[in-house]
Amino acid sequence: DSGVTQTPKHLITATGQRVTLRCSPRSGDLSVYWYQQSLDQGLQFLIQYYNGEERAKGNILERFSAQQFPDLHSELNLSSLELGDSALYFCASSKSGQGETQYFGPGTRLLVL
Amino acid sequence: DQQVKQNSPSLSVQEGRISILNCDYTNSMFDYFLWYKKYPAEGPTFLISISSIKDKNEDGRFTVFLNKSAKHLSLHIVPSQPGDSAVYFCAALFGNEKLTFGTGTRLTIIP
Repeated sequence: DSGVTQTPKHLITATGQRVTLRCSPRSGDLSVYWYQQSLDQGLQFLIQYYNGEERAKGNILERFSAQQFPDLHSELNLSSLELGDSALYFCASSKSGQGETQYFGPGTRLLVL
Repeated sequence: DQQVKQNSPSLSVQEGRISILNCDYTNSMFDYFLWYKKYPAEGPTFLISISSIKDKNEDGRFTVFLNKSAKHLSLHIVPSQPGDSAVYFCAALFGNEKLTFGTGTRLTIIP
């Protein structure tokens, strides 16, 4: 158990819909990262937050957005969903976000039908 | 452009023998490398890391070797155990905190 929690574990929805994925970092960690793992793909970095502020952006679509709240939990919002958005979405956390090891949550499996 | 490559999608090793997983990278600015292990339906679990100022780091049965001139790193597991069967991801960092992952190698340990 990494100490990072993600909800929900599974999500099935239809194209065009909007979903919100939630992540709670390890106790004491200020930085949260979101990754996407599509079928046959490696993990792709989406976005990073540190203490409520966006710090780095990766291959995140404009239809996706995220935020980190004062209690440090983070939400990833996916809108106008397409079939190709079906993937595993992982959240990770680290203490300060300064090149340290990141600890991953169990992921949310999203299926868009 | 795949900056971190794991060219072997799968590897099978006899229990008790050495497993060697390989990873190549193209960006010479990477200064920190990590290996993660992933079981089905679980998030990646951190295994071992190495800074670019070192060429070897050992932790129990796991050793990571870094050859900066060849832009190559490898993970050695010895002796291999059935519980080591998983997908292994190599990842790299430079300056900022964005991890760049390889596509993974599925390791199967044969009893």
